Amino acid sequence: QVQLVESGGGVVQPGRSRRLSCAASGFTFSNYGMHWVRQAPGKGLECVAVISYDGNNKFYADSVKGRFTISRDNSKNTLYLQMNSLRIEDTAVYYCAKDPSKEGGYGMDVWGQGTTVTVSS
Amino acid sequence: QAVVTQEPSLTVSPGGTVTLTCGSSAGAVTSGQDPYWIQQKPGQAPRTLIYDTTNKHSWTPARFSGSLLGGKAALTLSGAQPEDEADYYCLLSYSGGQVFGGGTKLTVL
Repeated sequence: QVQLVESGGGVVQPGRSRRLSCAASGFTFSNYGMHWVRQAPGKGLECVAVISYDGNNKFYADSVKGRFTISRDNSKNTLYLQMNSLRIEDTAVYYCAKDPSKEGGYGMDVWGQGTTVTVSS
Repeated sequence: QAVVTQEPSLTVSPGGTVTLTCGSSAGAVTSGQDPYWIQQKPGQAPRTLIYDTTNKHSWTPARFSGSLLGGKAALTLSGAQPEDEADYYCLLSYSGGQVFGGGTKLTVL
């Protein structure tokens, strides 16, 4: 079955960096766009970044543009989110999710269980 | 960027019917915006119930249905069950990307 497993969360100091990973299985990873979505404590869902099937097209929310980088390794069936210059307001559960399209322009049909990032001094 | 609006909270009686709506500050919601409806139960990851306005996944209970209603996307729950108590988010696509609504907290009581 389709499965997405995030890892890499933890406690990190403001201004530092962290890389999240999402291991995909049960589908042909290289055929689909992928998303990172986050949820701050007690808040709603926020699109963070999306990447096309081949990694050539990427889109970022204004709140993370210039600080976060989405990437993928199709040979390893893995999605990444490199987070630099972390801020207190980046504290959230980060979910990876599969898009039903190649370009990642539709939505999320399958979600991972999430990984928690806490930015605190 | 457009703002997507949802009712903050709704209550439905067990066995009853309720409709959640999803509006856009950019105007009427259309099928071209590929409305999605996502359910999130307390302490759990989100799960997509409806995609492209009306389509259901294999795991979507038959009592949920999606539509366009009065210029908004709508999610109708017919025959509410206690396990349907959850937060529901809509997602709309725009030229600049996808935007979530603020979510509706549905209480079954």
